[in-house]
Amino acid sequence: DVKVTQSSRYLVKRTGEKVFLECVQDMDHENMFWYRQDPGLGLRLIYFSYDVKMKEKGDIPEGYSVSREKKERFSLILESASTNQTSMYLCASSPRLAWRNEQFFGPGTRLTVL
Amino acid sequence: AQKITQTQPGMFVQEKEAVTLDCTYDTSDPSYGLFWYKQPSSGEMIFLIYQGSYDQQNATEGRYSLNFQKARKSANLVISASQLGDSAMYFCAMSVNAGGTSYGKLTFGQGTILTVHP
Repeated sequence: DVKVTQSSRYLVKRTGEKVFLECVQDMDHENMFWYRQDPGLGLRLIYFSYDVKMKEKGDIPEGYSVSREKKERFSLILESASTNQTSMYLCASSPRLAWRNEQFFGPGTRLTVL
Repeated sequence: AQKITQTQPGMFVQEKEAVTLDCTYDTSDPSYGLFWYKQPSSGEMIFLIYQGSYDQQNATEGRYSLNFQKARKSANLVISASQLGDSAMYFCAMSVNAGGTSYGKLTFGQGTILTVHP
């Protein structure tokens, strides 16, 4: 059974803290993505990676960075968390010919920044 | 740039009836894929159905069908025989080929909350 897992379902952090969100997939997929979901806005792409150590900015990269040291793992980093980063974060993966294939999503991390 | 528009923030349907969720899209890329995902209250995203821009026939998956009208740039999801378990948020999304450089990035609509009444 294919699987994308995320390190936490719920996370509460303080303003200014450095936050790590981890995502692991077991499908040997080349592409991995981080989205954030906010009411009325749908899902918006933060960063994606198409290979180990390769990354590209999505639509809303400000305040975030990513790391992909191994094919199966893609980390999202909030360098200095702010209250406007309170959101649901969803990780996804897909095979190389991705525009013709579905993305597989993790369960999501609901992050609250106080 | 790609754009997906879902104009129905909320929809209601009676159990066992059919419902159509609207989705319009905009892209200049001739090669694209359209996806529908379901998100129950638990939060996970469940893939429902896919339609490719070159597919001649409308996609169907069980009770789900996609009414693809290319000239109108619409990709509406039709759920037949609604069940209580269909109550969820539904997202329409698009990916484009972009000469092989898009890596399957998805552009999502705002979502439609479907409520199925008994």
